[in-house]
Amino acid sequence: DGGITQSPKYLFRKEGQNVTLSCEQNLNHDAMYWYRQDPGQGLRLIYYSQIVNDFQKGDIAEGYSVSREKKESFPLTVTSAQKNPTAFYLCATGHGRDRGFQPQHFGDGTRLSIL
Amino acid sequence: AQKITQTQPGMFVQEKEAVTLDCTYDTSDPSYGLFWYKQPSSGEMIFLIYQGSYDQQNATEGRYSLNFQKARKSANLVISASQLGDSAMYFCAMRELSYTGGFKTIFGAGTRLFVKA
Repeated sequence: DGGITQSPKYLFRKEGQNVTLSCEQNLNHDAMYWYRQDPGQGLRLIYYSQIVNDFQKGDIAEGYSVSREKKESFPLTVTSAQKNPTAFYLCATGHGRDRGFQPQHFGDGTRLSIL
Repeated sequence: AQKITQTQPGMFVQEKEAVTLDCTYDTSDPSYGLFWYKQPSSGEMIFLIYQGSYDQQNATEGRYSLNFQKARKSANLVISASQLGDSAMYFCAMRELSYTGGFKTIFGAGTRLFVKA
């Protein structure tokens, strides 16, 4: 089955701890994105990557880090510098510019809470 | 600056009736795409409908249609014959080219739709 797999579904973080959210795709999409969603709110862009080994900050990158070593994978690390990490995190993929304005595909999300 | 505005935090509709969810956007780029997504309480984002900035006709997908008024910069979603399963959060989004040459998508704050039996 083609799709996006986010893991874990639920994650708990202790104070001062870094945690990593996984996002894997087999859609062969060039672009990958991380969004944060707070309760009752819209999605805000954290980081995005258009190609392997390249990524750009989104609107709320502080306290987060990413890597894009493989086309299929775009893990997000929530560092201890992120003081309010409790949120729902969504990973998305999309085609490159050559395919026009195609819709993004989303994973099922990871809910992160502070212990 | 707010680029996508959804002015209705919550909407109620009677089952089998039609409902319009409002969306206005702001961009100076002549080329962009407009999308609507549905997010049930389980959290996944479901793509509903797409409208390109150069499309002459309003997009339709089954019970969903997009009322695209380019001069007004509005892209309202119309759901006909509402069903109980349509109760969810609905997001309007705009996809445009970023300064890096790739695409960025901006989402509105969403409208929560409640369908009454």
